[in-house]
Amino acid sequence: DVKVTQSSRYLVKRTGEKVFLECVQDMDHENMFWYRQDPGLGLRLIYFSYDVKMKEKGDIPEGYSVSREKKERFSLILESASTNQTSMYLCASSRGADTQYFGPGTRLTVL
Amino acid sequence: DQQVKQNSPSLSVQEGRISILNCDYTNSMFDYFLWYKKYPAEGPTFLISISSIKDKNEDGRFTVFLNKSAKHLSLHIVPSQPGDSAVYFCAASKGSGNTGKLIFGQGTTLQVKP
Repeated sequence: DVKVTQSSRYLVKRTGEKVFLECVQDMDHENMFWYRQDPGLGLRLIYFSYDVKMKEKGDIPEGYSVSREKKERFSLILESASTNQTSMYLCASSRGADTQYFGPGTRLTVL
Repeated sequence: DQQVKQNSPSLSVQEGRISILNCDYTNSMFDYFLWYKKYPAEGPTFLISISSIKDKNEDGRFTVFLNKSAKHLSLHIVPSQPGDSAVYFCAASKGSGNTGKLIFGQGTTLQVKP
């Protein structure tokens, strides 16, 4: 079974803090994705990566950056957290164009 | 520009009856469609998919129908069970090489009443 894990289930940060969200997958998938889920807006793609050290912007990359130094790990970075980044963050991975497998999500609250 | 739309935010059905969840898309280049199910405090899990060369795919109680001319797909759950209560997302892919990038709809919350 594919397993995608995320470093925290719940996180509370203050405005202006630098925030790191970590995602690890154990199935040697090439592709990894970061989404945020907000009520009424569904899942929106922030960034994705199709190989180590490769990244591409998704639909809403502003205010975020990513890092993929190892194949199994994909990090999402909020350089200076703001209240409008309060959301559920979901990481996913896939092999090629196959089904994406999601982690449990991180509920981030920015005060 | 919402390329994948789920116009019904919520749906309530009685246990044992049919649940029909709808999804519309605007991009005719989409060639692969998926449905995901999400429980609160969990990540979405894959439910069923359909390629644009088909108009129907069935897996147990779940059937997905694709109408390419109308750019519409639907998920049928028969019979509905209380454990099916969740948020359902449809997603579409346009054969974007090997990246597997998906475009998701806004989601529909299904409540199945016992």
